[in-house]
Amino acid sequence: DSGVTQTPKHLITATGQRVTLRCSPRSGDLSVYWYQQSLDQGLQFLIHYYNGEERAKGNILERFSAQQFPDLHSELNLSSLELGDSALYFCASSEGRGSYNEQFFGPGTRLTVL
Amino acid sequence: AQSVTQLGSHVSVSEGALVLLRCNYSSSVPPYLFWYVQYPNQGLQLLLKYTTGATLVKGINGFEAEFKKSETSFHLTKPSAHMSDAAEYFCAVRGDSGGYQKVTFGIGTKLQVIP
Repeated sequence: DSGVTQTPKHLITATGQRVTLRCSPRSGDLSVYWYQQSLDQGLQFLIHYYNGEERAKGNILERFSAQQFPDLHSELNLSSLELGDSALYFCASSEGRGSYNEQFFGPGTRLTVL
Repeated sequence: AQSVTQLGSHVSVSEGALVLLRCNYSSSVPPYLFWYVQYPNQGLQLLLKYTTGATLVKGINGFEAEFKKSETSFHLTKPSAHMSDAAEYFCAVRGDSGGYQKVTFGIGTKLQVIP
């Protein structure tokens, strides 16, 4: 158990819909990262938050957005969903602001868009 | 910029045989290198990492990796495969992207262990 929790575990929705994925980092970790894992793209970095502020964006679509709240939990919002958004979404956390610190991954949320 | 190439998306070994998973990297800054493992239906877990110092790094579960700067490689090895090693392995490199030092993951190598 990494100490990172993600909800829900599975999500099935339809095209055009909007969903919110939630992540609680390990106790004491200030950084939260979001990744998308799909069969054809591998593990893609989406976005990094440190102590409530956005640090960096990766391959995140404009239809996607994220935020980190004062209690350090984070939410990833996916809107106008398309079939191609079906993937595993991982959240990871680390102590410091540098993304090169060891990252602890949650169990993931499997999103299926029908 | 930085990138990671993992040679072989699928590797099969017999139980008890040597495990060798290949990783080559490129990085515009001195690299930090990582190997993560992902068991079925789980998140990624750090196996080992190289930052500075000794180039042979030992990790959990009997795995080790050697940083070879001249070859830009960080191959993962284990002398004797166990059935429980069946998983997907990801090599990752810390690099610089517009002043932000981010970790870039390889595509992953699925290890199958044959009894």
